[in-house]
Amino acid sequence: KAGVTQTPRYLIKTRGQQVTLSCSPISGHRSVSWYQQTPGQGLQFLFEYFSETQRNKGNFPGRFSGRQFSNSRSEMNVSTLELGDSALYLCASSPIGTGQETQYFGPGTRLLVL
Amino acid sequence: GQQLNQSPQSMFIQEGEDVSMNCTSSSIFNTWLWYKQDPGEGPVLLIALYKAGELTSNGRLTAQFGITRKDSFLNISASIPSDVGIYFCAGQLPSAGGTSYGKLTFGQGTILTVHP
Repeated sequence: KAGVTQTPRYLIKTRGQQVTLSCSPISGHRSVSWYQQTPGQGLQFLFEYFSETQRNKGNFPGRFSGRQFSNSRSEMNVSTLELGDSALYLCASSPIGTGQETQYFGPGTRLLVL
Repeated sequence: GQQLNQSPQSMFIQEGEDVSMNCTSSSIFNTWLWYKQDPGEGPVLLIALYKAGELTSNGRLTAQFGITRKDSFLNISASIPSDVGIYFCAGQLPSAGGTSYGKLTFGQGTILTVHP
């Protein structure tokens, strides 16, 4: 079974731009969670989607948004990028009937904001 | 927000030594998880703990869910060079609806370096 895939793997943007990151979960998984990882703050939960609905949300500003499609693929969007948004963005998927305690992570998208 | 205190922040050990790291919280968690992250990869789940007092092993790794539900530790015995990486603890809070789908809070990570 293929693992969680994320595209693109690397991205460079400038302040004020917006960015969309994509995540394809493991086949059959319907829960997708997004995390931001930085050296200073560690891994921080952004949001979780299940069956196209946001099930949980972290403490990030409204510039961070996400959605999930009927095939369970998910996207997250960051608008009006700031320098502090530079981070590794990780996506994780979970099997049906479980939550984040059984999630599998993708390799991440490394975003650099200049 | 919820915080997990993970220690130590980093460890430098010789191959063959045992390693111990722990996480503490001011909150009670339903579940404790331990992950390892290699460079350029996402975290990989090592051990999941679901009950207070539970002690679980996975090869050379052993983890325990503290009886107060506010702490957990991970031990690695007889370390080898491929144990190098960042180890994270994570706690899962009860969700508002009483289901198991609470969100995870991660520790800051322990960077492990193993010298051959």
